[in-house]
Amino acid sequence: EVQLVDSGGGLVQPGGSLRLSCAASGFTFSNFWMSWVRQAPGKGLEWVANIRQDGSEKNYVDSVKGRFTISRDNAKNSLFLQMNNLRAEDTAVYYCARGQQLGDWGQGTLVTVSS
Amino acid sequence: QSALTQPASVSGSPGQSITISCTGTSSDVGSYNLVSWQQQHPGKAPKNMIYDVIKRPSGVSNRFSGSKSGNTASLTISGLQAEDEADYYCCSYAGSGTWVFGGGTKLTVL
Repeated sequence: EVQLVDSGGGLVQPGGSLRLSCAASGFTFSNFWMSWVRQAPGKGLEWVANIRQDGSEKNYVDSVKGRFTISRDNAKNSLFLQMNNLRAEDTAVYYCARGQQLGDWGQGTLVTVSS
Repeated sequence: QSALTQPASVSGSPGQSITISCTGTSSDVGSYNLVSWQQQHPGKAPKNMIYDVIKRPSGVSNRFSGSKSGNTASLTISGLQAEDEADYYCCSYAGSGTWVFGGGTKLTVL
């Protein structure tokens, strides 16, 4: 059974940093692109970033370029999202998902950016 | 990276069929057969119902089907059931490695 467990969310001040993690199991992690998607409170889904199987290609939505970095550790079946210079508008539940077309999802982790 | 356009809400009675549209441009929906549909119940993580425009993941009911014509993709749900009431989001490849979602559609089963 595919399982994705998101963690690392919390309350952070504007300008601060946070690192999200996603622990994967139940499938061959190194065979799949992985993605991050976020959902602001009461709003729709927004694609944030994805990363190729070997980490050689990374793509981002314009609003997070230069501030967020996606990475992975295939030896530990883990996906990460380093978020720097956080803004109030980054407040959202962040989900990791398997593949580019988001075949399976984690439970999400809430990031709140507020002073 | 403009969002795809979906109707804010649709409704139908049990047993009926409904269709949710997802309109993009020639730069996203119109250029690639890479459209997925996600179902999200309140307070839950999304679930993939359709990928590659028309394919259903294992375990998804065949009451769900996808299609595309030009710049518009569609999700059809036949034989509506109470448990289909949820928010539905389309998502398309938009080129240069990026993806874009629709604004979401709230389905109400009357």
